[in-house]
Amino acid sequence: GENVEQHPSTLSVQEGDSAVIKCTYSDSASNYFPWYKQELGKGPQLIIDIRSNVGEKKDQRIAVTLNKTAKHFSLHITETQPEDSAVYFCAASLTGTASKLTFGTGTRLQVTL
Amino acid sequence: KAGVTQTPRYLIKTRGQQVTLSCSPISGHRSVSWYQQTPGQGLQFLFEYFSETQRNKGNFPGRFSGRQFSNSRSEMNVSTLELGDSALYLCASSLGDRDYNEQFFGPGTRLTVL
Repeated sequence: GENVEQHPSTLSVQEGDSAVIKCTYSDSASNYFPWYKQELGKGPQLIIDIRSNVGEKKDQRIAVTLNKTAKHFSLHITETQPEDSAVYFCAASLTGTASKLTFGTGTRLQVTL
Repeated sequence: KAGVTQTPRYLIKTRGQQVTLSCSPISGHRSVSWYQQTPGQGLQFLFEYFSETQRNKGNFPGRFSGRQFSNSRSEMNVSTLELGDSALYLCASSLGDRDYNEQFFGPGTRLTVL
């Protein structure tokens, strides 16, 4: 089955700096790659996603890049703010099974003042 | 539009008991997926229901089962509880009719098995 690896497990940045989280996947048949943010006591919230026919997608301070050849994708957060502090998960799903997500192990991001 | 709701939010059970968790999806969503979240194993897919039928299944033992009703609400049942079943159980809903449906998660049910 699909396997998703995520790095780093923890990341501390100063407010205003950029943060980058990287994930690799194993199954070349994966075609959907969402990113989730989970705050304490809440369920994961979708923040951005990318499909395999797109190389990059941006939404304000957040961007995701996908390299299908290398089977890796990354989340970039620019101008970080304290409210960006949370656990971030990458995920992947195979063609035709978008509702069956395989998650990475999560990255705890801390934005310090 | 109301989000995904899960009840109860917290549960404490003892080994050997069974438990039923409930999930109400976003109105109009026909797919409900269940995930188990633990510190050690992370987020793991349990199963997905679409139009009252199980459409995908993860690698969990048969003690974990689910069902979906005609109004898309879903229940998950765990029988003969074990200590290792202590986890946050999350459900997620989506339209379910395309490859790229966004999944929206509920707040989860925190199950503690003593």
